[in-house]
Amino acid sequence: SQTIHQWPATLVQPVGSPLSLECTVEGTSNPNLYWYRQAAGRGLQLLFYSVGIGQISSEVPQNLSASRPQDRQFILSSKKLLLSDSGFYLCAWSYSAPYEQYFGPGTRLTVT
Amino acid sequence: AQSVTQLDSQVPVFEEAPVELRCNYSSSVSVYLFWYVQYPNQGLQLLLKYLSGSTLVESINGFEAEFNKSQTSFHLRKPSVHISDTAEYFCAVTPGRGNMLTFGGGTRLMVKP
Repeated sequence: SQTIHQWPATLVQPVGSPLSLECTVEGTSNPNLYWYRQAAGRGLQLLFYSVGIGQISSEVPQNLSASRPQDRQFILSSKKLLLSDSGFYLCAWSYSAPYEQYFGPGTRLTVT
Repeated sequence: AQSVTQLDSQVPVFEEAPVELRCNYSSSVSVYLFWYVQYPNQGLQLLLKYLSGSTLVESINGFEAEFNKSQTSFHLRKPSVHISDTAEYFCAVTPGRGNMLTFGGGTRLMVKP
């Protein structure tokens, strides 16, 4: 069966510090991968998605970036965090079809 | 492009009462529909999905949803809720191409004893 991992589970970082969140998927190959952000009391915002190694599409302009160095690894990064980057970050994967996405446990990021 | 509207941001209900969480969508093409559940501080879990076939789909924990194409709706129902059903519920749609899911804003179900 497939599993998806995210770490760290929680993170408190000062404004201006760098960020690296990691997501890995086990039990499948060549998945589509996604990063979402969920701000407090709000819905899901798609940040990035990837259909293959080195292929990243950005949905919103921001100070975040994503990379996919390996088939089942997806990394979310920032060089300098802003207060507005606080939130709950979710990684997800899917096959090409059917079309449902499967989510990881999330990372709670607090920027102070 | 697609859009999803969850008409109620919060739904308070007493334990063992029935509940309906409403979801309406807008799309110029056929879509596939999903309901996800999110417990506090956890990721989203797929609750049920409509891809094709019977318009009534059921989950293993007693929820059901009915796809109504004419009303462009996919409402989620449960005849008798439990305290453990307290969570945020998200409706999502996709046309299938590109695999992008469009999510509604979520409905917080609060089950009271």
